[in-house]
Amino acid sequence: QQQVKQSPQSLIVQKGGISIINCAYENTAFDYFPWYQQFPGKGPALLIAIRPDVSEKKEGRFTISFNKSAKQFSLHIMDSQPGDSATYFCAAWGQVILTGGGNKLTFGTGTQLKVEL
Amino acid sequence: DTAVSQTPKYLVTQMGNDKSIKCEQNLGHDTMYWYKQDSKKFLKIMFSYNNKELIINETVPNRFSPKSPDKAHLNLHINSLELGDSAVYFCASSQRQQYGYTFGSGTRLTVV
Repeated sequence: QQQVKQSPQSLIVQKGGISIINCAYENTAFDYFPWYQQFPGKGPALLIAIRPDVSEKKEGRFTISFNKSAKQFSLHIMDSQPGDSATYFCAAWGQVILTGGGNKLTFGTGTQLKVEL
Repeated sequence: DTAVSQTPKYLVTQMGNDKSIKCEQNLGHDTMYWYKQDSKKFLKIMFSYNNKELIINETVPNRFSPKSPDKAHLNLHINSLELGDSAVYFCASSQRQQYGYTFGSGTRLTVV
């Protein structure tokens, strides 16, 4: 069972456009929602994160929108650049009731973003 | 440089062999993880150690055995390698109860 659902799987955006990636979750025990960026041959790197008591967080060209009642959150990349081309993962941090264990980071399935000139 | 470093970066081996991947972090974190990234780039947690104690053990074949000699090191030993073990394995670290994980650059394991 996929704990964090992410869409789209891939995305092509023109330079200067807005890239939007969406995620949804069911587990109300999740209490931090980070986004990670991964370039080929590298590990994922933390990009931006939000707590569920905030509806929006902006850092430079990157904005997270969070809808707690709908259990959805999204990443917006404004003025997308070719250097933004990477795989983006949403994630949720907290305890996964079904599998037990401690708090952990559960990832979405990833979105491969390509920004074209 | 402060980082999470893994060795080797690439590992090609035959089915049935036993291999190890090593991970070290100098960030002063107390929790370390192994994640597996498959060919579709899906990232799934395998294990987590806090101060040398195993705290998360997902449904992973017991051919995979993590070992943490101290809180700065977490190694992964894999016995009797199978074709389906081919993937990129990432080590990561964090402070316990913190969501900001730092990942290594990964070890690409290819079983032939």
